Amino acid sequence: QKEVEQNSGPLSVPEGAIASLNCTYSDRGSQSFFWYRQYSGKSPELIMFIYSNGDKEDGRFTAQLNKASQYVSLLIRDSQPSDSATYLCAVTPGGYQKVTFGTGTKLQVIP
Amino acid sequence: DAEITQSPRHKITETGRQVTLACHQTWNHNNMFWYRQDLGHGLRLIHYSYGVQDTNKGEVSDGYSVSRSNTEDLPLTLESAASSQTSVYFCASSEGLAATYNEQFFGPGTRLTVL
Repeated sequence: QKEVEQNSGPLSVPEGAIASLNCTYSDRGSQSFFWYRQYSGKSPELIMFIYSNGDKEDGRFTAQLNKASQYVSLLIRDSQPSDSATYLCAVTPGGYQKVTFGTGTKLQVIP
Repeated sequence: DAEITQSPRHKITETGRQVTLACHQTWNHNNMFWYRQDLGHGLRLIHYSYGVQDTNKGEVSDGYSVSRSNTEDLPLTLESAASSQTSVYFCASSEGLAATYNEQFFGPGTRLTVL
C-alpha cells in the first residue's frame, strides 16, 4: 500500500464547476497535509496546507481533512482553464520537514 | 529577489559516468531537499539536509550522494549513472527548524537522460 494515494485522473470538469480532488494516506500519525499544484513542465508550488480536522478555505480553494478516515481533499470552486494542472497531495508526520508526496491527480478544466 | 536555481537544466550523459547536479538557493534556508519525479511515482525524496554538514538519506538514495559545505548549496552526485536514473530532478528548500514544517520552495528542475 502506498503511503499517499491519489487517483491519477485525468479529472475533467467544465469551466465554472467544482473540482474535487481526493487523497488518502496510510500513516495514522501524520499531522500535516499539503496540496501542491504543478503545471506541465514546471516545478510544484504550494497552494494549501491544513493541520486540523475540518475545512480550510482560501479564495476558491477549500482543503478538507478527516483524520479518522485518513483522507484529505481539495475543492476548487468556479474552476478555470488556468486551474488545469497536476495536483499533488503531500503528507508529513508531526514535527518533521520531510514530506511524502502522492503521484498526483491531473485536472483538466474544459472551457 | 531570493530564489532557488538548478544547473544544468538539461543533461545527457552515458552509463557509468559521474554526474553532479547543482542546486543554489539565496533564501538563506536551513533545509534543502533533492527529489526525483517519474511518471507513476510522483516526487520521491533522494537526500535532504537540515543545515551545514548535515545530510540524510531519503527513500531512494542508492546511487546518489550529497554534501552540504555551506548554507546556499546542496549538489547531488550520481556516482555511476545508470539508465534507471533518467528522470527529472527537483531541488527544494525551506526555512526554520527541522522540527517544524515550513513551505518548501522548488527549483525549476533538471531533466537528466542517461544513455
